[in-house]
Formats: sequence, C-alpha cells, structure tokens
Amino acid sequence: QQPVQSPQAVILREGEDAVINCSSSKALYSVHWYRQKHGEAPVFLMILLKGGEQKGHDKISASFNEKKQQSSLYLTASQLSYSGTYFCGTENSGAGSYQLTFGKGTKLSVIP
Amino acid sequence: NAGVTQTPKFQVLKTGQSMTLQCAQDMNHNSMYWYRQDPGMGLRLIYYSASEGTTDKGEVPNGYNVSRLNKREFSLRLESAAPSQTSVYFCASSVREGGEQFFGPGTRLTVL
Repeated sequence: QQPVQSPQAVILREGEDAVINCSSSKALYSVHWYRQKHGEAPVFLMILLKGGEQKGHDKISASFNEKKQQSSLYLTASQLSYSGTYFCGTENSGAGSYQLTFGKGTKLSVIP
Repeated sequence: NAGVTQTPKFQVLKTGQSMTLQCAQDMNHNSMYWYRQDPGMGLRLIYYSASEGTTDKGEVPNGYNVSRLNKREFSLRLESAAPSQTSVYFCASSVREGGEQFFGPGTRLTVL
C-alpha cells in the first residue's frame, strides 16, 4: 500500500526550514528518500533502516519511527537548489520479496 | 561511466502497436527495476529483477513483459499498447535488493 506523504506542497523562502512526513499503514523495514527535479530522474538522498540511527548529510536529515510507522525528512536552512519533488519509498517488514512502494511526492519550492 | 541509460527518450505509438524499451547499466549492479510515473501518482513498480536470471512482478505488471538479457540489460515490452500506458518510464538499478537506486533519464511514451 502506498505511503502517505504530507504536506503535498510547500513554499519556502531561502534559509527557512521544512519537514516532510511519510506514513505507512504497514510495519516498515526501511524508508528511502529521493528528490526529483522537473523533467529529470529521481536522485537518491538516503536510506533509513529499521533499528538504524537518524541519518543526514549537509543540511538534509531524516528520522525513522518504527512504532509510528513513519519517517520524516528535515531540510534546514533551505537553498534554491533544494527545490523539487521529494518522494519517500517504503519497504514493508515480512513482505517476502523486495518491493519499494513510493508515495505521491511533496513538491518543495524555494524562493529567494 | 554512463550509469543507467535508456532508449528511446521519446516514443509515440498507436493503440495496439508493440514496442520494447531498452535499459542498460554499467555499474555492475545486481538488481534492476522498471517504474512508471504518472502525474500525481508517484513512481509505481512494474517489474524488477533481483539478480540476473530472475524477474518478479511489481505493483502494476499488467500489459507488460520484461527480459533480463544479462547482468547489464533489462528490457520492458509492451505487446499491445493502450492509451492507459501513456506515461514516463524509468529504469533503475542497485547493487543489491534494498539498496540505493540509480535511475536512468526516462522514456516519455505516448499512446494514441
């Protein structure tokens, strides 16, 4: 089942922070985060594994709450280059075979 | 390294025609994937191949077939195209199942 992302869209001014949430109705084994700019392919940001720690690089980090079956992506001091659509992809625990199910995306626009 | 390459970049078909989308990766990855992306729907997995010689259905396999020709190449075939298959198709690869996925540039397919 497709994870639910919120918000659907957000507009930020440069330097502001944002949080994007990803929730699943099923127990999660891992959560992937990707960013896609208009007309381009998705690009990997990070993977969070069950039992793993919060991850991050530069000013983008993410957390994974197994009990709540959700993940959050944190963008700090946003830059113009952060604009794009962010997708979470979830892998369910005990699924048997590997499948990554993506949410519908959150469109982030950073303006000067 | 070219990464993941896809051909063609654009294609227009008439209803009932067949075609094969080609995908190749030069990163020595074991796993390969085919997704379709429709406006507002995110990425949906059509088929994947965990390793050379294996293929499995994803979320939306109906109307498609795949062939893992060798470790590098994974093709997607539409036997009898339908307007509902109008979409952008992305191929991706990863070192292993569950790993970071690298996406190709996509094929924009229109079925009239």
